Amino acid sequence: DAGITQSPRHKVTETGTPVTLRCHQTENHRYMYWYRQDPGHGLRLIHYSYGVKDTDKGEVSDGYSVSRSKTEDFLLTLESATSSQTSVYFCAISARTSGGAGDTQYFGPGTRLTVL
Amino acid sequence: DQQVKQNSPSLSVQEGRISILNCDYTNSMFDYFLWYKKYPAEGPTFLISISSIKDKNEDGRFTVFLNKSAKHLSLHIVPSQPGDSAVYFCAASAGNAGNMLTFGGGTRLMVKP
Repeated sequence: DAGITQSPRHKVTETGTPVTLRCHQTENHRYMYWYRQDPGHGLRLIHYSYGVKDTDKGEVSDGYSVSRSKTEDFLLTLESATSSQTSVYFCAISARTSGGAGDTQYFGPGTRLTVL
Repeated sequence: DQQVKQNSPSLSVQEGRISILNCDYTNSMFDYFLWYKKYPAEGPTFLISISSIKDKNEDGRFTVFLNKSAKHLSLHIVPSQPGDSAVYFCAASAGNAGNMLTFGGGTRLMVKP
């Protein structure tokens, strides 16, 4: 199993409060990703990182920001949580180096976030 | 507009029989396809993948078929086992710089003993 941990695993918060989710990897992989999973939508990419301090937006980035100050940590922040951000959040990592048809992403255990 | 679709939300199969999960895509730039398996309260687990230069890839009981002209892929599980009961997601990548994956909505497979 890929060495990926997420914290917290569960969180309940109130609308308008800031929330930060953490993803930590021990694989030294370059690429890290944040997805959210909602019924009927599968997993949708929020943001991803291709190196320390290098990040880019995904499909559903509004209302989220990310930071990566170390290779092993990728943080997802909800500046002011809303009920529509109630979801399960998954972090993924990839060793993709250069070019090619693609590389496999490995997922963490997830964080269930409820915004009341 | 969903670029990757799994039109069957659920599938029920008898133990020992074949399970066939289907996935359709619309983006002709997709060149790498993956299947993930997900149990409740766990993260998705990589199962099998296929590059667009192939039309079949096999790994034990799992085989993925790719029909590029139809923009369709399928996952065959033979024989199906009760432990295969899970949600299966197909995903596709266009070989972009970020290797971003686009996921289908998932199919819940139930294998009955």
